[in-house]
Amino acid sequence: EVQLLESGGGLVQPGGSLRLSCAASGFTFSNYGVGWVRQAPGKGLEWVSIVTDNGERTEYADSVKGRFTTSRDNSKNTVYLQMNSLRVEDTAVYYCAKCKTPGLALHFDHWGQGTLVTVSS
Amino acid sequence: EIVLTQSPATLSLSPGERATLSCRASQSVITYLAWYQQKPGQAPRLLIYDASNRATGIPARFSGSGSGTDFTLTISSLEPEDFAVYYCQQRYNWPPITFGQGTRLEIK
Repeated sequence: EVQLLESGGGLVQPGGSLRLSCAASGFTFSNYGVGWVRQAPGKGLEWVSIVTDNGERTEYADSVKGRFTTSRDNSKNTVYLQMNSLRVEDTAVYYCAKCKTPGLALHFDHWGQGTLVTVSS
Repeated sequence: EIVLTQSPATLSLSPGERATLSCRASQSVITYLAWYQQKPGQAPRLLIYDASNRATGIPARFSGSGSGTDFTLTISSLEPEDFAVYYCQQRYNWPPITFGQGTRLEIK
């Protein structure tokens, strides 16, 4: 069974940093890209970032470019989202999601349960 | 950036009725469009990928159609568990990957 489990969310002050983790199991992790998608309270889905299967390519939404960094450790079946210079508008539930097919077929067929990041003073 | 516009924003129907949800892209996405269902407090679930392919385990009452800029998600006969928010998402021209703003399907 495919599982994705996010961790690392919490309350942080504006300007602070947080690192989210996404631990994966139940599939050949190194064959699939993984994305991060967030959802502000009461709002829709917003794509944040993607990392390719081998970790060599990453892409970001303009809203987080230069502040967030996504990476992966295929030996640990884990993807990370390092979030710096956090803003109030980054408050959201952050989901990691697995690409549906090997490579970068960017539809997401499995999602974690999400982790809440709250940026507030 | 490709903008996806979903309509209607809210759809009020009764169980057993047919639901038709629309997603329009600001430019062609060929057939690289997906549909997701999200219930309160839950993660999104992939329903349809590449415009018309049902994801694993999705009931046959869900179907997707369209190409280019106009897409439709149809639920042939609504079950109580189908009342949720539905999002479309394109993967043709990225970054960024974009989602529609969602359609809320509520019980009439």
